Amino acid sequence: DVKVTQSSRYLVKRTGEKVFLECVQDMDHENMFWYRQDPGLGLRLIYFSYDVKMKEKGDIPEGYSVSREKKERFSLILESASTNQTSMYLCASRVRDRYTGELFFGEGSRLTVL
Amino acid sequence: QKEVEQNSGPLSVPEGAIASLNCTYSDRGSQSFFWYRQYSGKSPELIMSIYSNGDKEDGRFTAQLNKASQYVSLLIRDSQPSDSATYLCAADSSYKLIFGSGTRLLVRP
Repeated sequence: DVKVTQSSRYLVKRTGEKVFLECVQDMDHENMFWYRQDPGLGLRLIYFSYDVKMKEKGDIPEGYSVSREKKERFSLILESASTNQTSMYLCASRVRDRYTGELFFGEGSRLTVL
Repeated sequence: QKEVEQNSGPLSVPEGAIASLNCTYSDRGSQSFFWYRQYSGKSPELIMSIYSNGDKEDGRFTAQLNKASQYVSLLIRDSQPSDSATYLCAADSSYKLIFGSGTRLLVRP
C-alpha cells in the first residue's frame, strides 16, 4: 500500500519559533509537494521538488523554505512562525510523468501558531 | 496565474439523485484532470482521473472532459449520504496540479 507519511498531525507553536514539518514517501516518486489549505481558499502550492536537492517556488513561498536531501523525504521549514501561518499543511508526491499520475497525499499536519 | 474554478456550493441533493459537479480551467496546456473527495478534517483522496475528451465511468462516478470549452465535470449517480464531502477539481500544469477551491456536496437522507 502506497504511503505518504507526515511526521506530526497536530502542532502548536509560538510566534517566532522555527517549525519543521517532515514528509516521507515510500513510492520512489520523483516529485514532492507542500500545499497549505485554508477554508475558502482551497489548496495552495507552497513549494515543490522534482528531484533531490531541487526545489521550485509555488504560489505562496513567502515565509517558508524546503529541504530535499533524499528522494523519499521533503521537509517544510517555517523559519519564524507567524499567526497567519496557522493552517492545514498537506504533503504530496507524484511520479515524474507530466501527463499522468495522481497526487498521493499525506494525512496532513494541522499547525496552530499562537 | 493558472486557475481552476469551481462553485463553492453547497450543492444539496436528495439521496438517490444525480449530483453534478462542474469545473473550468484556464491553462490550455493542461493534459490531465483529477477529481478528489475530501471529508472534513481528512486529506484528499482520488475519485477519478481523465485525460481524453469525452466520458469516463467508474461505478457510480462519471467524469466528463471538454478541452475545447476547458470544462470538466463529475456526475455521481445514486447519491448516498456518505458522498457528502468537498469535491476538489485539479488540472495538471507542468509538474504541478492546480486545485479549485472545491464544491461542498450535501446528500439529504
